[in-house]
Amino acid sequence: GNSVTQMEGPVTLSEEAFLTINCTYTATGYPSLFWYVQYPGEGLQLLLKATKADDKGSNKGFEATYRKETTSFHLEKGSVQVSDSAVYFCALSEDSNYQLIWGAGTKLIIKP
Amino acid sequence: KAGVTQTPRYLIKTRGQQVTLSCSPISGHRSVSWYQQTPGQGLQFLFEYFSETQRNKGNFPGRFSGRQFSNSRSEMNVSTLELGDSALYLCASSFGRGHMTNEKLFFGSGTQLSVL
Repeated sequence: GNSVTQMEGPVTLSEEAFLTINCTYTATGYPSLFWYVQYPGEGLQLLLKATKADDKGSNKGFEATYRKETTSFHLEKGSVQVSDSAVYFCALSEDSNYQLIWGAGTKLIIKP
Repeated sequence: KAGVTQTPRYLIKTRGQQVTLSCSPISGHRSVSWYQQTPGQGLQFLFEYFSETQRNKGNFPGRFSGRQFSNSRSEMNVSTLELGDSALYLCASSFGRGHMTNEKLFFGSGTQLSVL
């Protein structure tokens, strides 16, 4: 079945460091891929998405490229801030199924 | 525009009881989906409602049920609670179904259920 695998956290970085959170997926068809973020005490928010191979999603300085050949959708940011501290979830959705399959989440801690 | 509202924010129940959670979607949104979030299992899809009909269901026992009203508000019910049902229950709404190109899900802050 479909699945999403994320790198385990927590990931601890200093402010202005480069961030990569790895995400790989298994899917039978051609899914859409998403990154959601959950700030402390809040619900999930869509951070970015990509709907087909080689698409790049971007938002708030974060980027992720849909790589079909490596079945990956790694999240990157060039210079993180303390306010980026949150839990990040990678997810996929196949239009035929109308539901999200989630990764386990990666907690990101940014120290000043 | 108000966001997705979930009530109550916190609930404490004992084993064997039943519980009802409520979700009010963003005005105009017709699809409501429910997710369970636990430290061990992560986020798991429960079910999706669109136009008062359950359109999709995850792999949960029949103790988990839901419904959607004509105003798109949704309730989720869990009967005969078990300790393992302790979780954050998240509701999300969207205008249409699924993740079409121009769609996205809007999540509420969740209901934290503790079963003692």
